[in-house]
Amino acid sequence: AQSVTQPDIHITVSEGASLELRCNYSYGATPYLFWYVQSPGQGLQLLLKYFSGDTLVQGIKGFEAEFKRSQSSFNLRKPSVHWSDAAEYFCAVGSNYGQNFVFGPGTRLSVLP
Amino acid sequence: NAGVMQNPRHLVRRRGQEARLRCSPMKGHSHVYWYRQLPEEGLKFMVYLQKENIIDESGMPKERFSAEFPKEGPSILRIQQVVRGDSAAYFCASSLTTGTDSYEQYFGPGTRLTVT
Repeated sequence: AQSVTQPDIHITVSEGASLELRCNYSYGATPYLFWYVQSPGQGLQLLLKYFSGDTLVQGIKGFEAEFKRSQSSFNLRKPSVHWSDAAEYFCAVGSNYGQNFVFGPGTRLSVLP
Repeated sequence: NAGVMQNPRHLVRRRGQEARLRCSPMKGHSHVYWYRQLPEEGLKFMVYLQKENIIDESGMPKERFSAEFPKEGPSILRIQQVVRGDSAAYFCASSLTTGTDSYEQYFGPGTRLTVT
């Protein structure tokens, strides 16, 4: 069965600092991997996705993520955080059978001015 | 192209009443997924439907919950005899297809159910 862990429940960074949010997954085959962002009281917005090919994927809002099969990880990065990036970030894994996504518990990002 | 639409956005029900949540997928999408998000938690899968078919309901509670996606009209998540523990945000997602490079789920804004 698929599972996703996000080891950091809450991260605080200063505006302009770099950011890395961790995501580890468990899945028997090549996973489909996603990062979503959720602002308070809002739905989920897709930041980026990985299906195959280049293991470094670029997303919206200046985010990128790197798929490392040997570490079963798909960490999200941003070189310089903006105050508007404060939100909840969810990593998710899907299968190529088109079934449900399994979401991690989320990491809450706070940004200091 | 309008995104995934859910209504109502907020729903208040007293214990024992029924809650009906609606989801209109993106135009051209024939796959619908329902997820539940409890306070301070991530999203948990409930059910996956295609038009007129339930494909996977492994995440759906066995009692009081049901879902449908008719040939015409929105997908409906129905909760009978609601209890306080049903209070949560319910998100609907839709996808164009599955198992291909274009597979991704688009999420609606959610329905926040409060049971008093």
